[in-house]
Amino acid sequence: ILNVEQSPQSLHVQEGDSTNFTCSFPSSNFYALHWYRWETAKSPEALFVMTLNGDEKKKGRISATLNTKEGYSYLYIKGSQPEDSATYLCASGGYQKVTFGTGTKLQVIP
Amino acid sequence: NAGVTQTPKFQVLKTGQSMTLQCAQDMNHEYMSWYRQDPGMGLRLIHYSVGAGITDQGEVPNGYNVSRSTTEDFPLRLLSAAPSQTSVYFCASSSDRVGPVDNSPLHFGNGTRLTVT
Repeated sequence: ILNVEQSPQSLHVQEGDSTNFTCSFPSSNFYALHWYRWETAKSPEALFVMTLNGDEKKKGRISATLNTKEGYSYLYIKGSQPEDSATYLCASGGYQKVTFGTGTKLQVIP
Repeated sequence: NAGVTQTPKFQVLKTGQSMTLQCAQDMNHEYMSWYRQDPGMGLRLIHYSVGAGITDQGEVPNGYNVSRSTTEDFPLRLLSAAPSQTSVYFCASSSDRVGPVDNSPLHFGNGTRLTVT
């Protein structure tokens, strides 16, 4: 994998459903994996930065895992709420540079 | 807490005009960067700086210049605007000098929406 790839591109879930997204990144020369939340008309805000294989981070109903050996990370949202509607970006942090995926756009339907 | 401040928020230019997008941060961050956001493309790195007096090119540097005379400021200059530079521009900083490679995330400004006609 040469670039950072995210899937799905978009999804709609019902309020209360749990969901997850995938981020694939180059496993060679790995430094850090970032997740950002980007609401419409705002700027991206950091959710997690993970550096170690097997890392798991949690913030409220949102959690993330990291597998640096195979080059993927999962973001989980438990019990989605309408305020979770946003684009979720992952990014691979390299030496002096951060490469972003194109994001997963989540819409939570009340 | 101002964080990262970008000005202007909106700008319309004609082809061939020049302008400077301003970015300032008050967090004493060494690392600063400029990204552009285009539909379906994700955030792409234009230029970055790891400290005052040091700048380098990112993924899409053509048509843009930067300088870093102080830790706080990192302006982006469009020398001769082209319609292909119509985009939303984000400035971002990080506390890690070598870039956001440790546990330090990027802190983003609110963006500048630029239209070149």
